[in-house]
Amino acid sequence: ETGVTQSPTHLIKTRGQQVTLRCSSQSGHNTVSWYQQALGQGPQFIFQYYREEENGRGNFPPRFSGLQFPNYSSELNVNALELDDSALYLCASSLRTGNTEAFFGQGTRLTVV
Amino acid sequence: GDSVTQMEGPVTLSEEAFLTINCTYTATGYPSLFWYVQYPGEGLQLLLKATKADDKGSNKGFEATYRKETTSFHLEKGSVQVSDSAVYFCALSDQGNTPLVFGKGTRLSVIA
Repeated sequence: ETGVTQSPTHLIKTRGQQVTLRCSSQSGHNTVSWYQQALGQGPQFIFQYYREEENGRGNFPPRFSGLQFPNYSSELNVNALELDDSALYLCASSLRTGNTEAFFGQGTRLTVV
Repeated sequence: GDSVTQMEGPVTLSEEAFLTINCTYTATGYPSLFWYVQYPGEGLQLLLKATKADDKGSNKGFEATYRKETTSFHLEKGSVQVSDSAVYFCALSDQGNTPLVFGKGTRLSVIA
C-alpha cells in the first residue's frame, strides 16, 4: 500500500471552467510531483513541489499551477480548461534526498466536455 | 532533452511464454532507469530499477539490465502469467527518482 491518496477519483468539467485536484503524500515524504497521462500515452511531468515551493516544471502552460502545504499535501489547479486537458492526473510523493522510490496515487480521471 | 522509447504494443502472449519489452533511452547525464507497471484502473507501481551501468533490477520474476553502451533497459520475464497483464512503462530520471521521463507504455495481455 503506497499511502498516496488523490481526490476526487473522477471529475467531469466543462470547457473554460477551473478545477482543483488534491493529493495527500505518503507519510514522511517531502516532495510531490504531478503528471498528466493522456489516453494511451505515458505520464508527462507537470511540476514538482518541495517545501512548499515549485522545484521544477515540465512543458505545461501557466494555467497549470499548484500548491504544497506544510503537511506536504498538494493541489493541482487548472484554469480555463480545454478539451485536451482530459486525462488521468497522477500524483507521486518521494523524499527529496537519496535514491528512494516515488510512490504514485491512483490518479484523478478528468474529463472536459 | 531526455527521452525514452519503448516497443509499441499491444503484446499478446500465452501463459508461460517468454517476455521481452524493449526500451532505449537518450539522456544528457547518467540517469537512473525504472520499469513501472499499471494495472487496469490503478496508478503506477514501481516494478524494478537500476541506478548504474550493468546493474540488474529484478522483482516478481521480471529483470532488466542497465546497458550504458547500448543505452537500453529491456524488460524480461521467463514465464508470464495471466496476472501479468498490464501496461508497462520504461522511465528514467536524472535526479534520483524524480522527475521521471516515461515512454509511451506497452500493453501486455497474457492469455491462458
